[in-house]
Amino acid sequence: DADVTQTPRNRITKTGKRIMLECSQTKGHDRMYWYRQDPGLGLRLIYYSFDVKDINKGEISDGYSVSRQAQAKFSLSLESAIPNQTALYFCATRDSSRGPETQYFGPGTRLLVL
Amino acid sequence: TQLLEQSPQFLSIQEGENLTVYCNSSSVFSSLQWYRQEPGEGPVLLVTVVTGGEVKKLKRLTFQFGDARKDSSLHITAAQPGDTGLYLCAGPISGGYQKVTFGTGTKLQVIP
Repeated sequence: DADVTQTPRNRITKTGKRIMLECSQTKGHDRMYWYRQDPGLGLRLIYYSFDVKDINKGEISDGYSVSRQAQAKFSLSLESAIPNQTALYFCATRDSSRGPETQYFGPGTRLLVL
Repeated sequence: TQLLEQSPQFLSIQEGENLTVYCNSSSVFSSLQWYRQEPGEGPVLLVTVVTGGEVKKLKRLTFQFGDARKDSSLHITAAQPGDTGLYLCAGPISGGYQKVTFGTGTKLQVIP
């Protein structure tokens, strides 16, 4: 079984709809991250969480919100989806006892906003 | 802002050829990482280089960290179709509260 899972894997939605992307991990890591990936732009950080009570904005948090329901679960919401939020979204986890670079990624959610 | 620029952006080669991809910055990094991302999957960490001038080998892949810790290269010997994917370099942002910046990636296609 995968250590970091994301649901759904693919999603098509319409402009203005609220949607939630979910991430679960069985690695027991305390740090969790949400990134989006766009062609030619690499991975950009949306939000990150160091524990259930510690949520931080990344470089592109506008239009997004997150919830850390438990150490193992970190959800990303698009409050009112717009077409330029069409992208590939990745969740990642990290063990705080290791460096920031040692992140483990989920398989991604491909989102299309019409 | 600590930016990582990768080149080339795309590379298509025949099986058996050698190739090198580059990751460059004007900033000093305490370490650099290389990830490989296959279609439909998330990035997977290949290696971390920490010391200036360091060379690490992973089978046919050779990673080097520049002496000034501002750049890194990945050399693949005798490329195979299984090497196809997106190669990303990444590095921790100094003073960035344990955040990482990623390069834009090199998309490699190895043709059988």
